[in-house]
Amino acid sequence: DGGITQSPKYLFRKEGQNVTLSCEQNLNHDAMYWYRQDPGQGLRLIYYSQIVNDFQKGDIAEGYSVSREKKESFPLTVTSAQKNPTAFYLCASSIAGEQPQHFGDGTRLSIL
Amino acid sequence: GESVGLHLPTLSVQEGDNSIINCAYSNSASDYFIWYKQESGKGPQFIIDIRSNMDKRQGQRVTVLLNKTVKHLSLQIAATQPGDSAVYFCAERPPSNTGKLIFGQGTTLQVKP
Repeated sequence: DGGITQSPKYLFRKEGQNVTLSCEQNLNHDAMYWYRQDPGQGLRLIYYSQIVNDFQKGDIAEGYSVSREKKESFPLTVTSAQKNPTAFYLCASSIAGEQPQHFGDGTRLSIL
Repeated sequence: GESVGLHLPTLSVQEGDNSIINCAYSNSASDYFIWYKQESGKGPQFIIDIRSNMDKRQGQRVTVLLNKTVKHLSLQIAATQPGDSAVYFCAERPPSNTGKLIFGQGTTLQVKP
């Protein structure tokens, strides 16, 4: 079945450590997105990419980095510069310029 | 910045009743709107969408209404079932070539048996 796979489902980070969240899609979508969701909150856009080897900052990009070397993959790195990384991270994809965005089942990141 | 907000954080309904979830959006130029359902620990699931050139769109047991005059969006769920219990988000797409969406805070729907 086509879909978006996020891994791992749960992730723990030590202080000062970078961690990378995986997002893979086999929907042949050009556009991919990363969102952060805090408890009781909506989704806030971290980064997005409309095409391979190109990406743009969203509303809360500070402390995060991404790469888009392959169409299917859009990994997110939470760096040590992100002082409040504990959240639920959601990856989405869509046909470029079209909606709706399809979501993975998220990665929950916690600080040890 | 721009935001999409919902009128009620929690809606409690009896099983079998109809549910109406409301949303106010901020950008009068937004041309596309989506409703998502999110169950605990999962990603948002697409329910229904509507473009700004429409006032109403129906799906299976769900209807979305768009009132551009007052920038209001609603999701109606007919014959609400326990499986409908979840958080519901509306999202708007402001005009751009990026496909970016702006999400509301969400409404929790609780269905009482």
